[in-house]
Amino acid sequence: SQQGEEDPQALSIQEGENATMNCSYKTSINNLQWYRQNSGRGLVHLILIRSNEREKHSGRLRVTLDTSKKSSSLLITASRAADTASYFCATDDSSYKLIFGSGTRLLVRP
Amino acid sequence: KAGVTQTPRYLIKTRGQQVTLSCSPISGHRSVSWYQQTPGQGLQFLFEYFSETQRNKGNFPGRFSGRQFSNSRSEMNVSTLELGDSALYLCASSLNGDSGNTIYFGEGSWLTVV
Repeated sequence: SQQGEEDPQALSIQEGENATMNCSYKTSINNLQWYRQNSGRGLVHLILIRSNEREKHSGRLRVTLDTSKKSSSLLITASRAADTASYFCATDDSSYKLIFGSGTRLLVRP
Repeated sequence: KAGVTQTPRYLIKTRGQQVTLSCSPISGHRSVSWYQQTPGQGLQFLFEYFSETQRNKGNFPGRFSGRQFSNSRSEMNVSTLELGDSALYLCASSLNGDSGNTIYFGEGSWLTVV
């Protein structure tokens, strides 16, 4: 079963705007990873944040982690049409598996 | 270096048949895991292998099985296929599967059961 939910389920923004996606999870974690999936394709790794980290940046991506609230957010700044995809968070609890959220479908309109 | 490679990319099978999917991990990666993705259930963990040993298995029936070879390549098999097995099957690899490893995914194998 899935670890938690992502919010919103779908997001439509204009190119150049920022997109924020939220992920909640249920159990204690060691780290959390964000992935992107273009329609019908595999998952592309975006960023990994460890449980002792609060914020991490990678290019136009900013990820925050609040372990007290069991939540994470992914911010994509200055979005582009090419960012159109589904975004998933996945948690790792040291059991050699990832537990995925339900995903956010992002549409960036040109 | 090459990413995670999965074959075949697309296949169509008939109910009752069996299917074998293959995965070659990134060079140097020894942990391979498999996931099933469906519209209804999302992404679900199937199993993980390291050094030819299964270390964890998801909540799937015994019709789903896998193995890993000494070169870290992996296969998964689904026997007696059901319509509900239609899904995207994703293989992933990491250095050793330990917590904190970045896990890289392949493009997946699209299985349609008719």
